[in-house]
Amino acid sequence: DIQLTQSPSSLSASVGDRVVITCRASQSIGAHVNWYQQKLGRAPKLLIYAVSSLQSGVPSRFRGSGSGTEFTLIIYGLQPEDFATYFCQQSYNVPYTFGQGTNLEIK
Amino acid sequence: QVQLQESDPGLVQPSETLSLTCNVSGGSITDFYWTWIRQPPGKTLEWLGYIYNNGRPNYNPALRSRVTISVDTSRRQFSLKLTSVTAADTAVYYCARGWGISTSLDSWGQGSLVTVSA
Repeated sequence: DIQLTQSPSSLSASVGDRVVITCRASQSIGAHVNWYQQKLGRAPKLLIYAVSSLQSGVPSRFRGSGSGTEFTLIIYGLQPEDFATYFCQQSYNVPYTFGQGTNLEIK
Repeated sequence: QVQLQESDPGLVQPSETLSLTCNVSGGSITDFYWTWIRQPPGKTLEWLGYIYNNGRPNYNPALRSRVTISVDTSRRQFSLKLTSVTAADTAVYYCARGWGISTSLDSWGQGSLVTVSA
């Protein structure tokens, strides 16, 4: 199975900050990387697909980038509604796998 | 706007079969990867498998001997069966719709908490 390791596992930040979350894969996964946001008690929500494409309706402050084995989600100008847990996912090989999550908290 | 709604089996006895259905409304039932995901309490997400149209399902190898995913396009629903459950199968189960080159999951059900306990 392809392992995805997110860093950091948790992060404290303030409204207006720029936040960077990294996802490292145990092997190259091409462009088959998606990012999700999950709030407590809710289903995940798709933010970014295929590394860098913004899902319809998602604010443009969310940006995805990367290639090979290293991928990044950047949030520019954190808003109060962005405090949540973020997961990366690979769909390069079965079983599709998720990172362990990054918990973004208010400082 | 597509909406997905899981059934709610609640409590399942150990060694029995967990059965979940996901009803799809407001969108096409064809040409998508109908997917099941689960999330044990406090843990990350686990991909269980998908079925594309009425084709051959694709399962997580770790669960392949116990899992079955099927779709009934006429009833606009797809289903998950997981046999011989144990406490380790306790989780919130989500149905989701996958599409595109990265099979991203763009629509999700609200989730159904399934507890395996005697």
